[in-house]
Amino acid sequence: AQSVTQLDSQVPVFEEAPVELRCNYSSSVSVYLFWYVQYPNQGLQLLLKYLSGSTLVKGINGFEAEFNKSQTSFHLRKPSVHISDTAEYFCAVRSANQAGTALIFGKGTTLSVSS
Amino acid sequence: KAGVTQTPRYLIKTRGQQVTLSCSPISGHRSVSWYQQTPGQGLQFLFEYFSETQRNKGNFPGRFSGRQFSNSRSEMNVSTLELGDSALYLCATALAGDYHEQFFGPGTRLTVL
Repeated sequence: AQSVTQLDSQVPVFEEAPVELRCNYSSSVSVYLFWYVQYPNQGLQLLLKYLSGSTLVKGINGFEAEFNKSQTSFHLRKPSVHISDTAEYFCAVRSANQAGTALIFGKGTTLSVSS
Repeated sequence: KAGVTQTPRYLIKTRGQQVTLSCSPISGHRSVSWYQQTPGQGLQFLFEYFSETQRNKGNFPGRFSGRQFSNSRSEMNVSTLELGDSALYLCATALAGDYHEQFFGPGTRLTVL
């Protein structure tokens, strides 16, 4: 079984500052890793994913994440945030050994960007 | 192209009733997954359908069921509603063979009174 822990439930930050949202996972099998964003009253949108290869992955809206297998982490970063980045962010994993799309999500991190 | 459509967007029911939610996938998508989102439990996987067959199932009671039609549209049903079933129900669809990118609908907000 897999589990995901997002270490911060809320992250307040000022506009144009850098931000890191932390995600650790636990799994006995290989996994794929994802970050999703949810704006108010909307569904989830995929920011980026790690499947294999380079441990640094780049996504949409200037976000990037680094996979660290030894620390079982997949932290999300952005060098300079905007007001429009205010949203809830979810880290998720999916087993690489199982067919299908079932995702295990963390509890989410609310990013609040103020001016 | 059109995104994932979920109907209705909002629903109010009373305890003991049953409810049916609908999800229309993006054209060509054959996999449909359902998730429940609540403040306390977060996002939890309910089940996934592919080619009209349930492929995976999460840890939910039998009151939660689903089905998929030949046009890939999916419905989920919750019988004997409980207050704890109040949640945002999201569906996500994906192309066959490309399960790494799922597209989520806006969700159905179910309130059980």
